[in-house]
Amino acid sequence: DTGVSQNPRHKITKRGQNVTFRCDPISEHNRLYWYRQTLGQGPEFLTYFQNEAQLEKSRLLSDRFSAERPKGSFSTLEIQRTEQGDSAMYLCASSPGTTSYEQYFGPGTRLTVT
Amino acid sequence: GDSVTQMEGPVTLSEEAFLTINCTYTATGYPSLFWYVQYPGEGLQLLLKATKADDKGSNKGFEATYRKETTSFHLEKGSVQVSDSAVYFCALEGSSNTGKLIFGQGTTLQVKP
Repeated sequence: DTGVSQNPRHKITKRGQNVTFRCDPISEHNRLYWYRQTLGQGPEFLTYFQNEAQLEKSRLLSDRFSAERPKGSFSTLEIQRTEQGDSAMYLCASSPGTTSYEQYFGPGTRLTVT
Repeated sequence: GDSVTQMEGPVTLSEEAFLTINCTYTATGYPSLFWYVQYPGEGLQLLLKATKADDKGSNKGFEATYRKETTSFHLEKGSVQVSDSAVYFCALEGSSNTGKLIFGQGTTLQVKP
């Protein structure tokens, strides 16, 4: 059990560029969650997957955001045409989803849009 | 909709002082309640949880009791250490069975020697 990993840890991009983040959950965890955390606030739910199926998306997830989890393993979160308001920490969490719904968080990807 | 409210920080205490961080929630149904901790430079870690009314979650000397009548889940520790300095988040998992968490805004704890 190596924990949840996220890459990159930091990303600086210019407004209007596209960015993609990757999350590798704990092996055999069925559920995978994405959250966004801005400075001084708690994480806010964005979306979650049960295996490869994306089952819920928050209203925070505008049409510039897309997430995938092919084959129910790792997940990617893409932001198109980034805006300064997208600057935040993007957190990924996974849970077994069957025996337990306890979520294990990765270290996050910090996005800065200039 | 569901929400969580925490006391504002930062909370600054001397070592061995008693800690209380207040948390209240608004939710339909019977949510599960959690405290997460974020140490400097690290990811969120589950500290403790309670899944039904009157349950007490405990870990590492921290405790919190699920109070349905007051919709509260206050975090307490009898004697804090410098190593407890971190940001603490109260969270709830709603009854929708999705597992998604709704977090409070976080409370920063600073413990001075």
